[in-house]
Amino acid sequence: DAMVIQNPRYQVTQFGKPVTLSCSQTLNHNVMYWYQQKSSQAPKLLFHYYDKDFNNEADTPDNFQSRRPNTSFCFLDIRSPGLGDAAMYLCATSMGQFYNEQFFGPGTRLTVL
Amino acid sequence: RKEVEQDPGPFNVPEGATVAFNCTYSNSASQSFFWYRQDCRKEPKLLMSVYSSGNEDGRFTAQLNRASQYISLLIRDSKLSDSATYLCVVTQSGGSYIPTFGRGTSLIVHP
Repeated sequence: DAMVIQNPRYQVTQFGKPVTLSCSQTLNHNVMYWYQQKSSQAPKLLFHYYDKDFNNEADTPDNFQSRRPNTSFCFLDIRSPGLGDAAMYLCATSMGQFYNEQFFGPGTRLTVL
Repeated sequence: RKEVEQDPGPFNVPEGATVAFNCTYSNSASQSFFWYRQDCRKEPKLLMSVYSSGNEDGRFTAQLNRASQYISLLIRDSKLSDSATYLCVVTQSGGSYIPTFGRGTSLIVHP
């Protein structure tokens, strides 16, 4: 089945130790998104790609970076995780120039010790 | 003022009840509207899109009121399995692809 896959599902890291979260999709969608979601809060958009065009939200911390080497894969790098970065990180995809339904991966839950 | 606002609840209702949620948005240029469902510690999944004319899918009805800038979700004959958080999503057309999520409304359906 076509889907959005995130790895790992759970990530534990130490304060300041870099982590990379990955997302892959078999939907062949041209738009990919990274969200951060903390408990009882709305998903917060960090980045999105339209094809190779990268869009960084204005309030996304510099500590967060992203790469999209091809249509299927997208990575989220957290250079120096702080305690406040502990959250669920959601990858999503959608198709087309106009916003359509987003398909979410199962998320990666990040714990920072 | 937040761009997309929802009452976080929780709405605590008995099985069989009818319950309605509203979601207000601040940008009058908003063009696309959606309701997503999110179960505890799971990813959001599309429940339904919201069309200008309103739309219905089984027990679920969505409405859009552009004049007052809100969308609504009505759930009839609530089931235990409807317990979840319902997220409102609003986006703009044109050059921006930015969907904006509300914080969600929690629904608890009890026996």
